[in-house]
Amino acid sequence: DGGITQSPKYLFRKEGQNVTLSCEQNLNHDAMYWYRQDPGQGLRLIYYSQIVNDFQKGDIAEGYSVSREKKESFPLTVTSAQKNPTAFYLCASSIRLALNTGELFFGEGSRLTVL
Amino acid sequence: GNSVTQMEGPVTLSEEAFLTINCTYTATGYPSLFWYVQYPGEGLQLLLKATKADDKGSNKGFEATYRKETTSFHLEKGSVQVSDSAVYFCALSITGGGNKLTFGTGTQLKVEL
Repeated sequence: DGGITQSPKYLFRKEGQNVTLSCEQNLNHDAMYWYRQDPGQGLRLIYYSQIVNDFQKGDIAEGYSVSREKKESFPLTVTSAQKNPTAFYLCASSIRLALNTGELFFGEGSRLTVL
Repeated sequence: GNSVTQMEGPVTLSEEAFLTINCTYTATGYPSLFWYVQYPGEGLQLLLKATKADDKGSNKGFEATYRKETTSFHLEKGSVQVSDSAVYFCALSITGGGNKLTFGTGTQLKVEL
C-alpha cells in the first residue's frame, strides 16, 4: 500500500539531546512537509521541500534541521536549540508544491517527549 | 498574513444530530479552502475542499460552502454518527502559494449514542 511512514511513533529524550524523526513515502510525491501540532495551536509548518536536495524554512524552523537526499525520505532533526520540543510531529507529502490542490497526505505522526 | 479561526471544542452531540463547525479566515490573496479530519491515532485526511467563491465542497455527508462575503467556510452534516468522532481542521492555501497550508486550531467532535 502506498503511503507515508513515520517512525518512531513515540520517542522520549533527555533535554539537550538531538533527535531525528524519520519520514518515508512511496507515493512518488515531489513535495514533502513537516508540521508540528500542539494542543490549541493547530498545525504549524516547520520545513518543506519541493524537490530532492532542496528545502525551505516554514513558519517555525528555529531549532530544527532537515535533509532531502532522496525523493522518498525527509528526516527531521530536533536539535538542542529547540526550546520547547515536546510535541506531536506530522510529516506530509503532495504531488507537487506548485500544484495548488491542497491535498496533502499525512503520516500517523511521531510524539516526542523531552524529559 | 493568512489565518484561520475555528470554533473551540470539544463539540459533543448525540447520534443523528445536526453538526456545524464554524470556520472563518483572513487571507492576503485569493484562497482555496479545505477541511481535514484526524481520526484518533491517525494522521490528517482531506475531507473536502472549495477553490472559489460560492463553491460547495462535499464528501461523506459533510459539506461546506465558500462564502467570500463573510470569509467563512463552515462545515455541516445533517446527521452525525459515532464514527464521525474526530478532530476537524479548517485550512487555506493561497493561489500561487502551492500546497503550503495554513491550518486552524482544530475542533474536536464527540458523538455519543
